[in-house]
Amino acid sequence: GQNIDQPTEMTATEGAIVQINCTYQTSGFNGLFWYQQHAGEAPTFLSYNVLDGLEEKGRFSSFLSRSKGYSYLLLKELQMKDSASYLCAVVDSNYQLIWGAGTKLIIKP
Amino acid sequence: DSGVTQTPKHLITATGQRVTLRCSPRSGDLSVYWYQQSLDQGLQFLIQYYNGEERAKGNILERFSAQQFPDLHSELNLSSLELGDSALYFCASSVVTEAYNEQFFGPGTRLTVL
Repeated sequence: GQNIDQPTEMTATEGAIVQINCTYQTSGFNGLFWYQQHAGEAPTFLSYNVLDGLEEKGRFSSFLSRSKGYSYLLLKELQMKDSASYLCAVVDSNYQLIWGAGTKLIIKP
Repeated sequence: DSGVTQTPKHLITATGQRVTLRCSPRSGDLSVYWYQQSLDQGLQFLIQYYNGEERAKGNILERFSAQQFPDLHSELNLSSLELGDSALYFCASSVVTEAYNEQFFGPGTRLTVL
């Protein structure tokens, strides 16, 4: 079967750094997305990785290791507005997006 | 604003009833996806259409059906509604169905079944 694992919830302090992990087992791999979703709102695109390595975009970075079936999202200089759920989604061999359950990130002052 | 529109924004109805949710994709996007998200749960993929044809099916109940029209807008029909159908229903669209297919989400329709 297809499986994507993320921690259910994480807590971090304003101004700090947090790393949200995602491990996957899917039938094929054609890329990995990270989305941000604030409570009651639509998911919005954060990053896309298809090659191994780190992609940096401002305060957010995303890393991929295809051989390990592993990705992480790194958030730096955390702000209160970063409190949200972070969704990992893998594109499988049929080009379908397989979604993780999401990680709820709580930022404390 | 993602460019994807969904109506209505909120819908309150009773058990046993039938409702229709509507989605207009971004201009130029051929692919439409429907998702269900219950309170504090992850996104559950329901169904995908590409240029009017059903492309993929997820965990969609037999009481639910969808279609994509020639102008590319899509409708999700939910019938014989149950309390457990209360959820946020998102529509998303993308340009293509393969390769880099970033999905753009609409604001969602919040369905409450009483």
